[in-house]
Amino acid sequence: QLQLQESGPGLVKPSETLSLTCTVSGDSISSNFHYWGWIRQPPGKGLEWIGNVFYTGSTYYNPSLKSRVTISVDTSKNHFSLKLSSVTAADTAVYYCARERYACDDWGQGTLVTVSS
Amino acid sequence: DIQMTQSPSSLSASVGDRVTITCRASQDIANHLAWFQQKPGKAPKSLIYAASSLQSGVPSKFSGSGSGTEFTLTISTLQPEDFATYFCQQYKIYPYTFGQGTRLEI
Repeated sequence: QLQLQESGPGLVKPSETLSLTCTVSGDSISSNFHYWGWIRQPPGKGLEWIGNVFYTGSTYYNPSLKSRVTISVDTSKNHFSLKLSSVTAADTAVYYCARERYACDDWGQGTLVTVSS
Repeated sequence: DIQMTQSPSSLSASVGDRVTITCRASQDIANHLAWFQQKPGKAPKSLIYAASSLQSGVPSKFSGSGSGTEFTLTISTLQPEDFATYFCQQYKIYPYTFGQGTRLEI
């Protein structure tokens, strides 16, 4: 059974880099059928797609975040990661990882990241 | 970016009702449209992909239709567990974009 689990610090200081990892179990991240994505949701607000990665390392990023985002994949550990640099309070959100075959078909439980000094 | 607009933003209904939510895209997305259900404090759950295809395990009370720029999600015979927020998402063109959500409440 597929499981996606986000992990990383729940508190990040302004101007620093947010780093999260999504560990995948129940499927190989090297699948030819899926991309692996990140989505975020500020408290009480809607969903914003951040970007995704294919197992080859090919990525697509939301232009609104592109200058600050890096998504990478580690096939040996069956996980993929998100880095968001120069964070501000506006980056406070629940961050979800997801498996994408059609849209964002399967989601992790999400992790709240608060940007505060 | 493709803008996704849902209506209504909120909807009051009763157990046993049938409801319809609409999602409009700012440009043609063919059938690259998904619907999600989200309950408070939980991750979104995928209900429908390709505008009308039910995800595995999703009950047939949920149905989707549409193509191009206008889409609908219909939920028949509402049960207490159906009261949640529903989102649409287009995955035709990067960046993927979501509707603002429709809150379905009693």
